[in-house]
Amino acid sequence: DQQVKQNSPSLSVQEGRISILNCDYTNSMFDYFLWYKKYPAEGPTFLISISSIKDKNEDGRFTVFLNKSAKHLSLHIVPSQPGDSAVYFCAASGSNTGNQFYFGTGTSLTVIP
Amino acid sequence: KAGVTQTPRYLIKTRGQQVTLSCSPISGHRSVSWYQQTPGQGLQFLFEYFSETQRNKGNFPGRFSGRQFSNSRSEMNVSTLELGDSALYLCASSLAGTLYGYTFGSGTRLTVV
Repeated sequence: DQQVKQNSPSLSVQEGRISILNCDYTNSMFDYFLWYKKYPAEGPTFLISISSIKDKNEDGRFTVFLNKSAKHLSLHIVPSQPGDSAVYFCAASGSNTGNQFYFGTGTSLTVIP
Repeated sequence: KAGVTQTPRYLIKTRGQQVTLSCSPISGHRSVSWYQQTPGQGLQFLFEYFSETQRNKGNFPGRFSGRQFSNSRSEMNVSTLELGDSALYLCASSLAGTLYGYTFGSGTRLTVV
């Protein structure tokens, strides 16, 4: 059972515009969320995180929003750049998951120059 | 500092064989986790080791096993390979589990023919 879902397998955005990647989860015990970026032939790299005590975390062009009541988080990239083209994974962990992150299936972002 | 190193990068094995994958974590990281990535399934958690002890295990058959050595290096073994085991196997290290997020290696691409 997929506890973390990314329902959009792919997304295309014009350079300079906003990219919004979405993630839904089902486990109400999740309290720590991360986004990873993955280029082909490389491992995922950490991008940004948020804990459940916050509803927003910002780091440069990247902002993650958390809506706990909806069990939904999103990653905003503004402005989008061609180098942002990659697969983005959201991941979640919580007090009842042990030392394990649950990952979504990923969204492939293409930023068109 | 050196990142997470996984060897080999690529492997081709025949059904029924066994395989051993290796992971050297970032120096000082005591937690090592293994994930399987397949198209459409995202990253599926295999197991996590901390100080040579398996702390958590995902929902994979007993053909998948691992261990961790005193220097925190970890190996993962898959016996009696099946075609469905073809995947990218990712190792991630962290200081102490999920609290600080993971650093991933580039992965080992296993192809079973």
